[in-house]
Amino acid sequence: IAGITQAPTSQILAAGRRMTLRCTQDMRHNAMYWYRQDLGLGLRLIHYSNTAGTTGKGEVPDGYSVSRANTDDFPLTLASAVPSQTSVYFCASSEDQGAAGELFFGEGSRLTVL
Amino acid sequence: LAKTTQPISMDSYEGQEVNITCSHNNIATNDYITWYQQFPSQGPRFIIQGYKTKVTNEVASLFIPADRKSSTLSLPRVSLSDTAVYYCLVGDWGLDTDKLIFGTGTRLQVFP
Repeated sequence: IAGITQAPTSQILAAGRRMTLRCTQDMRHNAMYWYRQDLGLGLRLIHYSNTAGTTGKGEVPDGYSVSRANTDDFPLTLASAVPSQTSVYFCASSEDQGAAGELFFGEGSRLTVL
Repeated sequence: LAKTTQPISMDSYEGQEVNITCSHNNIATNDYITWYQQFPSQGPRFIIQGYKTKVTNEVASLFIPADRKSSTLSLPRVSLSDTAVYYCLVGDWGLDTDKLIFGTGTRLQVFP
C-alpha cells in the first residue's frame, strides 16, 4: 500500500526558478493538504483541497499555488522560488474534510533554495 | 479555531509512563482532539483521537476533562523508539478545513 507519494525527495533550487512538488495518493481520499515544516515552527498549512476541483488557502499560502484536477494528485508549485521557501514540505490526505479522522502524510520533500 | 499550547520538550526514561498535556482553551463544540507522532525525516503519524472523557488504543490513552479545555496524551511504559515529536491538533469536523493547524509540538526524549 503506497498511501501518499511525494516527489522529489530532495531538491536544490536556484532562487527565481519555478518548482513543482508532486503529491499522489492511492486511497481515494477527498481531502488533500500541503504543509511546510521549519525548525521551531512546527507544521504550517499552505493550501488544501476538500475535493477534486476545489482548493483553499491555509495559514501561509503566499508564493505557492496548487491545483486539484483529479482525486489522486495535488501538486504544489513555487512560481519563483525564494530562499525563505527552503523547508521540508509534507503532503497529506484525509478521507474527508475536517479534523475528525486521520491525516495520512507523505515522507516529505526537502527543498533548498539558494 | 482553537489554538493549542504544549510543552516544548520532555525527557523520560525507558519503562516510565509519559503524560503530555495540551491546552486548548478556545475549543469549540464541534472540535475533535487528535494527536500525531513524528520521527525525524518522516511525516507525522496518527496516534489517537477523542472528543471527550477517555479514549484508549493499543498505543496510547487520551484523557479529556469535562470542560475539554485541555487534553493529556498518555504513553505507557515508553521505550527508546518513542523518542519523537508529538503534536496536538484541535479542529472541527465537516466545516472549514483551512485551519488544520499544528502547533510546534512536544519533543519527547527517552533515555535508557
